[in-house]
This record gives sequence, structure tokens and C-alpha cells, in this order.
Amino acid sequence: QSVLTQPPSVSAAPGQKVTISCSGSSSNIGNNYVSWYQQLPGTAPKLLIYDNNKRPSGIPDRFSGSKSGTSATLGITGLQTGDEADYYCGTWDSSLEVFGTGTKVTVL
Amino acid sequence: QVQLQESGPGLVKPSQTLSLTCTVSGGSISSGSYYWSWIRQPAGKGLEWIGRIYTSGSTNYNPSLKSRVTISVDTSKNQFSLKLSSVTAADTAVYYCARAAYNWGSVWFDPWGQGTLVTVSS
Repeated sequence: QSVLTQPPSVSAAPGQKVTISCSGSSSNIGNNYVSWYQQLPGTAPKLLIYDNNKRPSGIPDRFSGSKSGTSATLGITGLQTGDEADYYCGTWDSSLEVFGTGTKVTVL
Repeated sequence: QVQLQESGPGLVKPSQTLSLTCTVSGGSISSGSYYWSWIRQPAGKGLEWIGRIYTSGSTNYNPSLKSRVTISVDTSKNQFSLKLSSVTAADTAVYYCARAAYNWGSVWFDPWGQGTLVTVSS
């Protein structure tokens, strides 16, 4: 059972923006950095964001991350059909690596 | 660039031991300050961190699995391995290996292997 809560699904039309929240507590998000992963259907997760808001090389700036208090947010602008995937947040919790419940993004 | 590939039996009988190996290519498993992790995902569900190992052999495990998990590393083969004992149907999942980077208060996994499905069934 994950300690990080995400909405089960979000959706928007192509070109629009979506945001995905990741809610935790002081033992995890409140005192640690957050990473985000994209999992396209049938594939392994891929790192999108680390240290709350840093993008690895090759990740477009349409993807952004932020953190405030015990919550983090992933934003996707200029939504594309290829962005349809599951998205997971991740962080530490008492020296244990934890992931969010996951959010399915649907492009309408 | 570094790539990871899982290998091992896709079917394990209940009460037996699940054994998987992750082969690292495109770089040395000993280079850089990285840890090497195992993560699993039951069908239709979220991600669960299993544990990690440093090339020194130092390990950390998820407390929920700690009594059944062993992760080891073979630097000469550029591989690390997972053993999960006394498996049940609840251990059926896609198992991923991944490289983990750590900094104070920060952890991220990149890259990941493609994953391998392990089914526990008689």
C-alpha cells in the first residue's frame, strides 16, 4: 500500500495541459526530493523528473515538476497522443524508497 | 549508454525461490556512485521497491520483504542478482532492475531494464 497518493486518472485534449498531484507527508515528500516516471503501455518506467524539478537529458521541457510542503506536482503542457501513459511519483520514506499509486493520463 | 537486462525463469512454483539476474552493459557496474535496485509491479498495479546493492556488497531491503530477499553483485560479470524465497502467488509480477542514484534526501532510478514477468504457479 503506497504512502504517496495520486489521482487515478486525468485527461485533456491534445495541446492542452494536465497536472498530476502526488500527496504525501512530512516523513516522505515533506523532507525529501521527488522524482517522476512515465510508463508507456507495456514498457518499463522512464525517468522524467528528479530532485523535484530537474529534467534528465532528452526529456522535453513540456514536462515540469514542482513541490510544495508535503505535495508534488507533475505538469505536462502541449499534450500529445504519445503522452498517454501511467505516471508515478517517487521519493524516500524513512530510508525506504516509495512510489505513488500512479495516474493514467488520457488524451481525449 | 548504460543498459540493463533482466533474465531468469518466468515460472516458479509456490514455496520455491525466485532467482533473477540483471546484466549491465554499456558501462561498468562499479563506475560512479550508483546503487543497483530491484523493483516489481504486479499486473495492473503500482511499483514496489524490493531492495538495492552497492558494488561494495552493501545492501538495503524493503522491510516488508526483508526476511525473504537476497541481492548480490558480481562485478566481474557486470551483473547483480535477486533471490526471493518462499514465493506465493502474491509474488507474481513484472520484475525490473534499475540503476539508482542517491543524494542527500534524493533518489531516482535511471535507466530501467525492460522487465521480466515472473509467475508463481504450480
